[in-house]
Amino acid sequence: GNSVTQMEGPVTLSEEAFLTINCTYTATGYPSLFWYVQYPGEGLQLLLKATKADDKGSNKGFEATYRKETTSFHLEKGSVQVSDSAVYFCALLNAGNNRKLIWGLGTSLAVNP
Amino acid sequence: NAGVTQTPKFQVLKTGQSMTLQCAQDMNHEYMSWYRQDPGMGLRLIHYSVGAGITDQGEVPNGYNVSRSTTEDFPLRLLSAAPSQTSVYFCASSKTGTGGLNYGYTFGSGTRLTVV
Repeated sequence: GNSVTQMEGPVTLSEEAFLTINCTYTATGYPSLFWYVQYPGEGLQLLLKATKADDKGSNKGFEATYRKETTSFHLEKGSVQVSDSAVYFCALLNAGNNRKLIWGLGTSLAVNP
Repeated sequence: NAGVTQTPKFQVLKTGQSMTLQCAQDMNHEYMSWYRQDPGMGLRLIHYSVGAGITDQGEVPNGYNVSRSTTEDFPLRLLSAAPSQTSVYFCASSKTGTGGLNYGYTFGSGTRLTVV
């Protein structure tokens, strides 16, 4: 079946550090891949997406590349800010799944000034 | 441009009480769903709907009912609240149809429910 595995947190970084949050998936066919962000006390927001192999999603300085050969969709940012402190969720959407997103468990990021 | 609106934002219930969590979207999205979020458990799907008049169970449906009489509204009913239902509840919606795999979800801001 379909599944998403993302690195456990919490991740703690200093401001301006480089961020990587790993996400790997298991799926048949050609799923779409998403990163969502949840700021404290809020709902989830779509951060970026990629719908086919080698696509790069990007938004707010974050990037992730859909790598079919390694079944990965790692989230990266070159220089994090305190305002990036949040929980990040990787998710997968596959055909025939009745539009149900398959979620990772989330990775908490804390950025210190 | 309201998006997905959930009410109430906070609620405290006594064990055995019933209540309805409201969810409304103004984007004409066909797909709507309810999740609960608990520490260390991620997001778990309770119920979902692919259109008006159509609902189905997710991973954790017990103790909850839903209906979808209109495209806009998808209320979640707790029949007899239990402490195990203490959680944060999120409603989410999405387009379907052509290009369906391209569409992400739009989430509401959540309802924090405590059952005592």
